[in-house]
This record gives sequence, C-alpha cells and structure tokens, in this order.
Amino acid sequence: GDSVTQMEGPVTLSEEAFLTINCTYTATGYPSLFWYVQYPGEGLQLLLKATKADDKGSNKGFEATYRKETTSFHLEKGSVQVSDSAVYFCALRTGANNLFFGTGTRLTVIP
Amino acid sequence: GAVVSQHPSRVICKSGTSVKIECRSLDFQATTMFWYRQFPKQSLMLMATSNEGSKATYEQGVEKDKFLINHASLTLSTLTVTSAHPEDSSFYICSATTSDRGGWGYTFGSGTRLTVV
Repeated sequence: GDSVTQMEGPVTLSEEAFLTINCTYTATGYPSLFWYVQYPGEGLQLLLKATKADDKGSNKGFEATYRKETTSFHLEKGSVQVSDSAVYFCALRTGANNLFFGTGTRLTVIP
Repeated sequence: GAVVSQHPSRVICKSGTSVKIECRSLDFQATTMFWYRQFPKQSLMLMATSNEGSKATYEQGVEKDKFLINHASLTLSTLTVTSAHPEDSSFYICSATTSDRGGWGYTFGSGTRLTVV
C-alpha cells in the first residue's frame, strides 16, 4: 500500500544552518507529494507540493524535488531561522481524496 | 485564508466516558471532512472520511460504533469517542476540503490531545 517514510527527529540546528529532512515514499500509480508544516498551537499548513516527477516545489525558502528514480521528496532550506521551528510532515496523495502522512519531524532552531 | 477551528485542544477524561471533538470551518463550506489519529512516533492515520449529510466512510480497523462521526452541516463535523479507554489516548486532527479546490485545498485543525485515565 501507499506509505511515507520520514526522517525521525527531533532535529536541532543553529540559526543559518542548512536543513535537510529526508522523505521517501511507496505508492502505486503516480502520487502527488506534499510537505506540511505545523507551528506550535496551529493546524497543519501546506508548505509546498509537487505533482509529477522532476517538479520542484518551493515556498518560504524551502525546496523539495520530486525524484521518481529514488522515490524521494527531501525537504531543504539553505539557511534556517528561529521562526522555522515547527513540525514538518511529508505526505502523498494518489487517486483517492485523502493524504498519507509521514510521522513528522520536529525542528528546533536555536539562535 | 481558510480556517478550521478544532475544539477542545486538550481533554482528559475518565475511562468509560465519552468525549466529543468539534471541527468547524470558519470561512468556507466543507463538503468533505477527514479525521486523523496520531499515536506517538507514528504517522497521522486516516480514520474516516465524512461528506455533509452522508454517513462517514471508515478506514479498515476503525470501529465505527466507537468513533461516531457526524457531519450534519457544511461547517461542522464532530467526532465522539464513546466509552473511551486508555488505548484511545491519542492526538486527533480534522481536516476539511471543498470540491471546488481541485483536491489541493486541505485545511487542518490544530488537533486535540485526548488522554484517557
């Protein structure tokens, strides 16, 4: 079945450090891939998405490239800020109208 | 933007009692709502999908008599955990979407931490 495997956290980085959160997936068909972010006390928000192979999603300095050959959608940011501290979820969607999530990775950025 | 309000954010209840969690779409009509559950260090797992005015569709392994879902209006869905037991302690999240959003418009509530003692 469809599933998402996400890098376990927590991840603690200093401000301006480079961030990578790994995400790989298993899916039948051709999924769309997403990264969601949950800031403290808030609901999950869509951060970025990619709908087909080699697409790159980007938003707020974050990027992720849909790699079909490695079934991956790793999240990256060149220079993190304290305000990026949150929980990040990788997710996929196939034909059905629901999402399959990874376990979430908690990121803490320290000044 | 679209907002989904979920209440309560935290609830502690005694074993054997029932707990109701509400999920409201504040500025849009949610034709479809989803309920997820997350156990510690595990993925968000879809429990059920509900369409306004219809019975909810439950995922395999989810007890429909235990997790009652009502989606009586386009802005409100409720999840009632009946006769709760400690193993029901979890993080519950709702999300809502509308059919005119091309499938991308999932808006999530902030979640409810349920602890059954």
